[in-house]
Amino acid sequence: DAGITQSPRHKVTETGTPVTLRCHQTENHRYMYWYRQDPGHGLRLIHYSYGVKDTDKGEVSDGYSVSRSKTEDFLLTLESATSSQTSVYFCAISNILASSYNEQFFGPGTRLTVL
Amino acid sequence: GNSVTQMEGPVTLSEEAFLTINCTYTATGYPSLFWYVQYPGEGLQLLLKATKADDKGSNKGFEATYRKETTSFHLEKGSVQVSDSAVYFCALSVNYGGATNKLIFGTGTLLAVQP
Repeated sequence: DAGITQSPRHKVTETGTPVTLRCHQTENHRYMYWYRQDPGHGLRLIHYSYGVKDTDKGEVSDGYSVSRSKTEDFLLTLESATSSQTSVYFCAISNILASSYNEQFFGPGTRLTVL
Repeated sequence: GNSVTQMEGPVTLSEEAFLTINCTYTATGYPSLFWYVQYPGEGLQLLLKATKADDKGSNKGFEATYRKETTSFHLEKGSVQVSDSAVYFCALSVNYGGATNKLIFGTGTLLAVQP
């Protein structure tokens, strides 16, 4: 199993509060991703990183920011949480492969509830 | 744009039944195709993949063939077990020059296998 951990695993917070989720990897993979999983939507990409300090937006980036100051850590921040951000958040990692297919390895997920 | 459509669930089968979960895609360029599986309470795991037309991915008794002419990547298993109960996600990835390794997921199909 790829060495990916997420913290916290569960969090309940109130509307308007800031929240930071952490993804930590021990695989030295270049790419890291944050997804949210919601019923009827599958997984949707929030932000991704292609190197230290290099990040870009995914399809549902509004209301989220990310930072990557070290290869192993990728942080997702909700500056002011809203109820619509209640979801399960998954981190994933991958590396550049010569064959160009893009297997991603997923963390265990963080269940966030915004009241 | 790029998208994945998979059959809605839940799919309920008896043990040893034949399984098909349909997946079709729309993509520019030449996508790689994947099936991921999510067991209850866990993150996603790669089940199988195919990187070019007519490739067959297989793993744990599951198979899927990359059909470019029908833009499909249907998942099949000849005899399901209770332990196969999970959510199955079809996904694609298309690289444009510099690899971003981004995945686009379908909405997922819940499979429930009854003893």
